[in-house]
Amino acid sequence: TQLLEQSPQFLSIQEGENLTVYCNSSSVFSSLQWYRQEPGEGPVLLVTVVTGGEVKKLKRLTFQFGDARKDSSLHITAAQPGDTGLYLCAGAVRGSARQLTFGSGTQLTVLP
Amino acid sequence: DSGVTQTPKHLITATGQRVTLRCSPRSGDLSVYWYQQSLDQGLQFLIQYYNGEERAKGNILERFSAQQFPDLHSELNLSSLELGDSALYFCASSVETGATNEKLFFGSGTQLSVL
Repeated sequence: TQLLEQSPQFLSIQEGENLTVYCNSSSVFSSLQWYRQEPGEGPVLLVTVVTGGEVKKLKRLTFQFGDARKDSSLHITAAQPGDTGLYLCAGAVRGSARQLTFGSGTQLTVLP
Repeated sequence: DSGVTQTPKHLITATGQRVTLRCSPRSGDLSVYWYQQSLDQGLQFLIQYYNGEERAKGNILERFSAQQFPDLHSELNLSSLELGDSALYFCASSVETGATNEKLFFGSGTQLSVL
């Protein structure tokens, strides 16, 4: 069983601050995805990283996949209240169809 | 709007009962996935169907079953319900190309409360 641990579990920051969320595993993943989930809604895909060491930027969000493809991070610059939500990482293992292993999630609250 | 429709949005029932959750995937998507989200377990994969056939099984209890119909909609059946089955149940769909950057689109979920 592949396990993904996210940290921190909860994060409350002021608007304009920077933050980093971590996603770690002892397993190797063929790809890793980051989702954001808002109350009453399903997770929405933000990005997929597939290559070890890969860095992807999505406006103020920067995603990194570890060289060994066991860990990932999400960095948000100048956080805004609209960034508030539950951030989930999810890893896919080659050959296991498309069932994803989700991390435990990071609940981010950005205060105005 | 992800294009994935789940009904009902909320379901309240009693222990021992049986319920059916319904999911309509995005137009063109052949794969349907069911996930359970609870506070203590997080988001757990239950089962996947592709074009009517079971493709993969995760942590799905024997009391739970699913199927995908010819029109590609799917139903998740939960029986002999227990208090611990209370959770958010999500359906997701994808085209299922097998690519490593395959996108999953999630519905808004069904909140099941077992009293």
